[in-house]
Amino acid sequence: LAKTTQPISMDSYEGQEVNITCSHNNIATNDYITWYQQFPSQGPRFIIQGYKTKVTNEVASLFIPADRKSSTLSLPRVSLSDTAVYYCLVGESFNKFYFGSGTKLNVKP
Amino acid sequence: DAGVIQSPRHEVTEMGQEVTLRCKPISGHNSLFWYRQTMMRGLELLIYFNNNVPIDDSGMPEDRFSAKMPNASFSTLKIQPSEPRDSAVYFCASSLSGTIFTEAFFGQGTRLTVV
Repeated sequence: LAKTTQPISMDSYEGQEVNITCSHNNIATNDYITWYQQFPSQGPRFIIQGYKTKVTNEVASLFIPADRKSSTLSLPRVSLSDTAVYYCLVGESFNKFYFGSGTKLNVKP
Repeated sequence: DAGVIQSPRHEVTEMGQEVTLRCKPISGHNSLFWYRQTMMRGLELLIYFNNNVPIDDSGMPEDRFSAKMPNASFSTLKIQPSEPRDSAVYFCASSLSGTIFTEAFFGQGTRLTVV
């Protein structure tokens, strides 16, 4: 399993863009990169998934460099409701995804 | 669709008692996962089913834990006998495997407290 490394926590203010970087040096050719969000007392929720370059959806953008050894989740103009734990997962299929410690994002007013 | 439904939401039991957690996956999903989350160990995958068949149960901590999926719409996770160290939030998730886009949908979880 490709292990991931993320910052334990980050602070931001409302309206700012937040970038959370994840390192996955041992990523395999068939592995995808997926990000999940978890609010307190809830199960994780899928945010975005990608393989290479850039992926954007209505919630976030995912930037993946050519060597794929890292990825950056970008949240535009965060609000207080974006306070949550964000997990970076790497794997070929969901049954092989490993949930690391995640990054606790704290958005302040 | 109501999403993945877990019951009960909260369970408090005494050490030594049997505990059964229940999960109804999203209709049409063919993969089901049981996770356990604690502050110390984070989210741990306990067992994974595909088409109702257990594929990987290497995460099941010990023989006191067992999981079944008798049909595509129902799964149980049983702990017998329960111990205080089993206290955690247990999540069930389902997905449609066999596609590249393997998004998993999680239930609200069952918070288990063993006293």
